[in-house]
Amino acid sequence: EIVLTQSPGTLSLSPGERATLSCRASQSVSGSYLAWYQQKPGQAPRLLIYGASTRATGIADRFSGSGSGTDFTLTISRLEPEDFAVYYCQQYGTSPYTFGQGTTLDIK
Amino acid sequence: EMQLVESGGGLVQPGGSLKLSCAASGFIFSGSAMHWIRQAPGKGLQWIGRIRSRANSYTTEYAASVKGRFTISRDDSKSTAYLEMNSLKTEDTAVYYCSNRPDVWGHGTTVTVSS
Repeated sequence: EIVLTQSPGTLSLSPGERATLSCRASQSVSGSYLAWYQQKPGQAPRLLIYGASTRATGIADRFSGSGSGTDFTLTISRLEPEDFAVYYCQQYGTSPYTFGQGTTLDIK
Repeated sequence: EMQLVESGGGLVQPGGSLKLSCAASGFIFSGSAMHWIRQAPGKGLQWIGRIRSRANSYTTEYAASVKGRFTISRDDSKSTAYLEMNSLKTEDTAVYYCSNRPDVWGHGTTVTVSS
């Protein structure tokens, strides 16, 4: 199975700063079928990015995704207070559709 | 509006069984693959498996950790997917979600495996 490794495990930043989250795959992700989710406590995950770089409906343009092959990045250009949450990447190109272990973005 | 509602969670003893349901509305259920994902307390997300549509022969795939113990099925006439869990272990304790596509998830149902 494809193992996704997210880094850093925790990222402490202030509102207004730029956040860069990494997701590295153990083998190439087929078709760039890589998604990013945001999850807040007690809620289901919310899709932010699919196809590595396409924003989901209703997602603010401060969220952007990039990458291909084995290296992917989620960038939040200017952090808003509501962006502090846990972020997961998932590859859905090859079964089993694995998730990364998550990056916690917390307020510095 | 697409909606998924999970049910059937609860407390079960180790070695026991439980069957979860995922009721769908707002889309053509029969044409959609259905996925199950879980999240143990304080942990990350784990994809459990999926069942494809009739057009894809209702084929199923599972994560290694549940293969042989969990079975995903569906009833297109009821727009419902199921997750049957057998030989449950304490490490199966989690919130279980269903999803038909990345942007549509249910609210989850909690399964606790404990004596």
